[in-house]
Amino acid sequence: KNEVEQSPQNLTAQEGEFITINCSYSVGISALHWLQQHPGGGIVSLFMLSSGKKKHGRLIATINIQEKHSSLHITASHPRDSAVYICAISANTGNQFYFGTGTSLTVIP
Amino acid sequence: GAGVSQSPSNKVTEKGKDVELRCDPISGHTALYWYRQSLGQGLEFLIYFQGNSAPDKSGLPSDRFSAERTGGSVSTLTIQRTQQEDSAVYLCASSKRPGLAGGRGETQYFGPGTRLLVL
Repeated sequence: KNEVEQSPQNLTAQEGEFITINCSYSVGISALHWLQQHPGGGIVSLFMLSSGKKKHGRLIATINIQEKHSSLHITASHPRDSAVYICAISANTGNQFYFGTGTSLTVIP
Repeated sequence: GAGVSQSPSNKVTEKGKDVELRCDPISGHTALYWYRQSLGQGLEFLIYFQGNSAPDKSGLPSDRFSAERTGGSVSTLTIQRTQQEDSAVYLCASSKRPGLAGGRGETQYFGPGTRLLVL
């Protein structure tokens, strides 16, 4: 049983396209995190949110607590956005983090 | 340094040997996390330290795994009697403090990881 489900697993887009990555979870959370992992392996935290919407540059993250769902959007996608995007949740009981399996995004010039 | 550092960056060992992996969190960060990412798999939570509190070891896969955090700063993850299935990238992250009501609601800053290969 996966506490966090992401879709799609793989995504290929043309440069400039609008991209959406979805994340659903099944437990109560204190926060949801979107992470970016580049081919070299380094992980960067993009967003941490517990309600509503956050925007940073071309990236937008939304969360619907009632529906236990979050989306990561990338506007005007660029090849440098190519990476694995990982959804993670911090459960509101205990200290556990649960991770999605990631969405591998490739943006073609 | 400005970020989380980990050492060694790569480690090759023989099955049955013990290994120690080190993490230097960002100065002033009270929370420290260890994760594992096996080849082709997602991230897996291992252990969490917060200040001087007892660590949350609920993610450790077996009693061969242990971790310490000395002086609230540097942490060492030790794997005893390594097995081939321990081969993975071991990632450390730190954050300033836990979120409200004990939740883990703070941005985490990840180290570059240690790639462990057990032959």
